Amino acid sequence: EAGVVQSPRYKIIEKKQPVAFWCNPISGHNTLYWYRQNLGQGPELLIRYENEEAVDDSQLPKDRFSAERLKGVDSTLKIQPAELGDSAVYLCASSPRDDVSTDTQYFGPGTRLTVL
Amino acid sequence: AQTVTQSQPEMSVQEAETVTLSCTYDTSESDYYLFWYKQPPSRQMILVIRQEAYKQQNATENRFSVNFQKAAKSFSLKISDSQLGDAAMYFCAYRSGTGNQFYFGTGTSLTVIP
Repeated sequence: EAGVVQSPRYKIIEKKQPVAFWCNPISGHNTLYWYRQNLGQGPELLIRYENEEAVDDSQLPKDRFSAERLKGVDSTLKIQPAELGDSAVYLCASSPRDDVSTDTQYFGPGTRLTVL
Repeated sequence: AQTVTQSQPEMSVQEAETVTLSCTYDTSESDYYLFWYKQPPSRQMILVIRQEAYKQQNATENRFSVNFQKAAKSFSLKISDSQLGDAAMYFCAYRSGTGNQFYFGTGTSLTVIP
């Protein structure tokens, strides 16, 4: 079974430029998460989807960040415009369903973003 | 707000020995779940072990076990018979019973010495 796929793995951009990250969750997984992991820190949840609906986006900086999960499968996270402080690893995770009694999150390899 | 604290930024252990990683958390909820995740260098984060707060029995997965002290809000991970492949960053995580909040600690970097 293929795991969570993310692309690109690395991205270097100049500040004020736009950038987009793509995530393909494990087939059949209804719940998808985007996290940001700063250097030396644990991941911080940005947004959580159940199918195509964003059920928790309270930590997403909506002035410059946006996300979508059309058709409830793949998801894209966008930053426009990027700032120096956005440099981090962006992790995508998926789980079969949002049921904490059985939920296990499967993480992708992440996209390392560097903003110059 | 819930917080997760890992007070040991770095730990080391001799191969085949036992090591314990500490984690404390703060919550006002009675229903929640606790996790330990492993993140090897440049590789994907994977779940090591999970504990439901309503269960008194400590979770165990092969060489990995936890010491869950609900009253003390402590959730430590014990790795027995440490192997070189155990070297990684370990994150403690908390999830509320409603599933709406998920918090990670800052991580503990574990080195296994041959």
